[in-house]
Amino acid sequence: NAGVTQTPKFQVLKTGQSMTLQCAQDMNHEYMSWYRQDPGMGLRLIHYSVGAGITDQGEVPNGYNVSRSTTEDFPLRLLSAAPSQTSVYFCASSYSGNRLATDTQYFGPGTRLTVL
Amino acid sequence: DAKTTQPNSMESNEEEPVHLPCNHSTISGTDYIHWYRQLPSQGPEYVIHGLTSNVNNRMASLAIAEDRKSSTLILHRATLRDAAVYYCILRDVNAGNMLTFGGGTRLMVKP
Repeated sequence: NAGVTQTPKFQVLKTGQSMTLQCAQDMNHEYMSWYRQDPGMGLRLIHYSVGAGITDQGEVPNGYNVSRSTTEDFPLRLLSAAPSQTSVYFCASSYSGNRLATDTQYFGPGTRLTVL
Repeated sequence: DAKTTQPNSMESNEEEPVHLPCNHSTISGTDYIHWYRQLPSQGPEYVIHGLTSNVNNRMASLAIAEDRKSSTLILHRATLRDAAVYYCILRDVNAGNMLTFGGGTRLMVKP
């Protein structure tokens, strides 16, 4: 298994540009989520999905869209990039979407985004 | 959400045990205690979790105080590869899969 994969690894955008961060998992996990990590900080939840066709907002959803058309993929879209969105973005997945607090979450390697 | 308090940083010598403390005085009866760690330039990875009893796995041990207001992650023999930020996280059994990360403890391991 490749686990959780993210592309690209690095991206530089100009203010106002849009882009999609890709996330895929091959573990047949129901739950997927996106976090951002600012320098020296812990991770903050942006959006999550408990299964295909179902998404919900996390702690910091503004400026981001998500969709979940398949179990495997959970792309994160930046609609109009701003310098405040400069961060490292992590995708995570876990087996169950059934709100189990014991499920292990598996994280991808991250995408480092800089918005100029 | 119940919060956790961890020291900002700790140092250890290689091949010695490390005890990483976490205070969670407002923990509720339905909160699980999870530990994740983040190696440099990588995503977080699961270490261990527990509810009331002490837990052991191949990576570490988790010692939970009897009143559950604190816990300690124990690395039995620290290696250079264990240098990371360690996050202590409470997860309510009713609140689903989301993880709420605090600042964590940066563990430095000296050769």
